[in-house]
Amino acid sequence: DTAVSQTPKYLVTQMGNDKSIKCEQNLGHDTMYWYKQDSKKFLKIMFSYNNKELIINETVPNRFSPKSPDKAHLNLHINSLELGDSAVYFCASSQGQASYGYTFGSGTRLTVV
Amino acid sequence: RKEVEQDPGPFNVPEGATVAFNCTYSNSASQSFFWYRQDCRKEPKLLMSVYSSGNEDGRFTAQLNRASQYISLLIRDSKLSDSATYLCVVNGGGTGGFKTIFGAGTRLFVKA
Repeated sequence: DTAVSQTPKYLVTQMGNDKSIKCEQNLGHDTMYWYKQDSKKFLKIMFSYNNKELIINETVPNRFSPKSPDKAHLNLHINSLELGDSAVYFCASSQGQASYGYTFGSGTRLTVV
Repeated sequence: RKEVEQDPGPFNVPEGATVAFNCTYSNSASQSFFWYRQDCRKEPKLLMSVYSSGNEDGRFTAQLNRASQYISLLIRDSKLSDSATYLCVVNGGGTGGFKTIFGAGTRLFVKA
């Protein structure tokens, strides 16, 4: 049973398209995150939700919109995709403020052509 | 100064060697510290938490020095399977609010 699962694993799409990535966790954690890892391998937080409430929203273009229907799910919708959006997007979850660390999903490799 | 800084490496070591990585952080209000391991094209996985008293898990030892604001990871008797990127992670508070910062990672290659 995968603890944090995200779909799809790979996504290749054209500039200007709209796409969504889904994430689900079965760990009973109350906090979920989206991270972006670019070609230089930096992991940067994009959003954090605690019990469906947005608590962190880093400087991310408003083309990116997270949605958390319940505390076990956090989806990411991206409008008008640009070449610079190409990266690996990781979903993660934790209990509270991650005093015991995060559990990551296996990542979604997004390529915008 | 970067919030979390690591030597990017790569570290190339033979099997059986002992290797140490350091990581420095700038926020003195940081509260919890971790080492993660990331294999190529995979997600980061928690390796171990880091405590002020130091902690050990098999061949891995982590240390935290709050006064000097650095953490370290020591790997003894390196195995081929230890080849990966090791990420230093710092959770902290302070005036900017609670933040988790990942270091850029240190690459390790263990060779036969």
